[in-house]
Amino acid sequence: GQNIDQPTEMTATEGAIVQINCTYQTSGFNGLFWYQQHAGEAPTFLSYNVLDGLEEKGRFSSFLSRSKGYSYLLLKELQMKDSASYLCAVRPGGFKTIFGAGTRLFVKA
Amino acid sequence: DADVTQTPRNRITKTGKRIMLECSQTKGHDRMYWYRQDPGLGLRLIYYSFDVKDINKGEISDGYSVSRQAQAKFSLSLESAIPNQTALYFCATSDPSGTDNEQFFGPGTRLTVL
Repeated sequence: GQNIDQPTEMTATEGAIVQINCTYQTSGFNGLFWYQQHAGEAPTFLSYNVLDGLEEKGRFSSFLSRSKGYSYLLLKELQMKDSASYLCAVRPGGFKTIFGAGTRLFVKA
Repeated sequence: DADVTQTPRNRITKTGKRIMLECSQTKGHDRMYWYRQDPGLGLRLIYYSFDVKDINKGEISDGYSVSRQAQAKFSLSLESAIPNQTALYFCATSDPSGTDNEQFFGPGTRLTVL
């Protein structure tokens, strides 16, 4: 079957760095996405990895290891507005995307 | 104006009623999707459409139907609503020729079935 695991909740301090992990077991692999979702709002795209390695976009970076079925999202210089859920999603093949349940991040002052 | 819109944004209905949720997009994307989101669960795909002539079931299509009236419009219907269909529903679009092929989500419809 298809499975994506990520921690349910994390707490971090404003200004710090936090790493949100994601492991997946899928029938195939054609890319991994991270989305941010504020409470009651739509998910918005953060990053896409299809090759191994680190992709950096400003304060956010995403890492992928296909051999390990593993990714992480790294958030630097945390701000209060980063309090949100972070969804890991995998495209096993074609265009369908499988979403994890999300990690709710709380940023405290 | 938002690129992907959904109506209504909130709806409370009773068991057995027929409900239609509507989605419109101005992004010009051919691919459109309907998901539901429940607490503690990921987004789950209900139906998807590649174009107006192509509609496919997702992982949880039972109890739902869809209509792709035009490239820009994709509607989701609950023929006879039941309480376990209470959820947050999202419409999304994507462009297969896009760089990252990400999905663009509408603001969501919160549906409550009593």
